[in-house]
Amino acid sequence: SQTIHQWPATLVQPVGSPLSLECTVEGTSNPNLYWYRQAAGRGLQLLFYSVGIGQISSEVPQNLSASRPQDRQFILSSKKLLLSDSGFYLCAWSVPRGGADTQYFGPGTRLTVL
Amino acid sequence: AQKITQTQPGMFVQEKEAVTLDCTYDTSDPSYGLFWYKQPSSGEMIFLIYQGSYDQQNATEGRYSLNFQKARKSANLVISASQLGDSAMYFCAMREGPGGTSYGKLTFGQGTILTVHP
Repeated sequence: SQTIHQWPATLVQPVGSPLSLECTVEGTSNPNLYWYRQAAGRGLQLLFYSVGIGQISSEVPQNLSASRPQDRQFILSSKKLLLSDSGFYLCAWSVPRGGADTQYFGPGTRLTVL
Repeated sequence: AQKITQTQPGMFVQEKEAVTLDCTYDTSDPSYGLFWYKQPSSGEMIFLIYQGSYDQQNATEGRYSLNFQKARKSANLVISASQLGDSAMYFCAMREGPGGTSYGKLTFGQGTILTVHP
């Protein structure tokens, strides 16, 4: 069965510090990978998606970047965090076989920027 | 315009009773998919149920069913026999375009908080 891991689970960082969040998927090959952000009490906003190694698409202009160094690894980064980067970050995977192509989510990382 | 609208910020239901969570959507694409996710206080998004735009029958998964009314562009989630563990935030989401393409972006609604009373 497939599993998805995210770490760290929680993070408190000062403004201007760098960021690296990691997501890994097990039990599947060539997944599509996604990074979402959720502000408190709100819906999810898609930040980045990737259909393969080294292939990253950005949905919104922002202070963040993403990389996919391996097939099942997706990393979210920032060189200098802003207060507005605070939120709950969720990684998701899907396999585009047709039909539902359901996205399955990881446990998330709660980021607080002070 | 909002692509996914959930008009109920919060809903209350008595344990063992049924509850309907509303979702309306807006798309001009003839092929699309509709999803419901549950987000408990832990934060993880849990997939519940899926309905494809060409599916003839309403989707069902255990106590969850999706009341799909295509002409009205609504995809309401029905939870039967509510349990205390059903208390959570529920999100409706839409994928525009057919499945099997290389990218399946989901657009989420703002969510509905469901509270189940004993």
